[in-house]
Amino acid sequence: GEDVEQSLFLSVREGDSSVINCTYTDSSSTYLYWYKQEPGAGLQLLTYIFSNMDMKQDQRLTVLLNKKDKHLSLRIADTQTGDSAIYFCAEKTSGATNKLIFGTGTLLAVQP
Amino acid sequence: NAGVTQTPKFQVLKTGQSMTLQCAQDMNHEYMSWYRQDPGMGLRLIHYSVGAGITDQGEVPNGYNVSRSTTEDFPLRLLSAAPSQTSVYFCASSSPGGIGELFFGEGSRLTVL
Repeated sequence: GEDVEQSLFLSVREGDSSVINCTYTDSSSTYLYWYKQEPGAGLQLLTYIFSNMDMKQDQRLTVLLNKKDKHLSLRIADTQTGDSAIYFCAEKTSGATNKLIFGTGTLLAVQP
Repeated sequence: NAGVTQTPKFQVLKTGQSMTLQCAQDMNHEYMSWYRQDPGMGLRLIHYSVGAGITDQGEVPNGYNVSRSTTEDFPLRLLSAAPSQTSVYFCASSSPGGIGELFFGEGSRLTVL
């Protein structure tokens, strides 16, 4: 079955790098995503990676994909207090629909 | 741009009452879905629809009904609310193909007493 898992909490100091990890089970996933949820708001797409890629970099964000281990990570360089939020990993299941399966979410707390 | 609009934002119900959470999108998206968010459990898919007149069940459909009579609207109905349905509900939509980005509403917080 489909399952996406993340650790629940991560605390870092401002200026440090943050690494949020995710494991998934559907080896036929076509896209994997990172969404960000700020307090009291809905989720917004932060970045994504296609399943045939190993790495994607977008400014302060680096996404690493290890398909063999079904492991996805999000690295945020020079973490700022504005990065404090819940980060969700998600996979697009195989098939024609845009059905996404989300992980449990990781609360990132950035200490000044 | 309105995007995805959910109403109401907050609702308190008594056990056994019924209600409908409204969701409307103005992006002409064919795909729409409902998720519930609970602490430590992330987002779980309740129901989804790939177009008007077509709906299907997600991971946790029990206790919820949906219909899709138009492309724009995708209401979620609770026929007989239970305390286990206390949650934050999110509606999301996307267009077919592409990277499959989901656009989310701001959420509806439901408390069932």
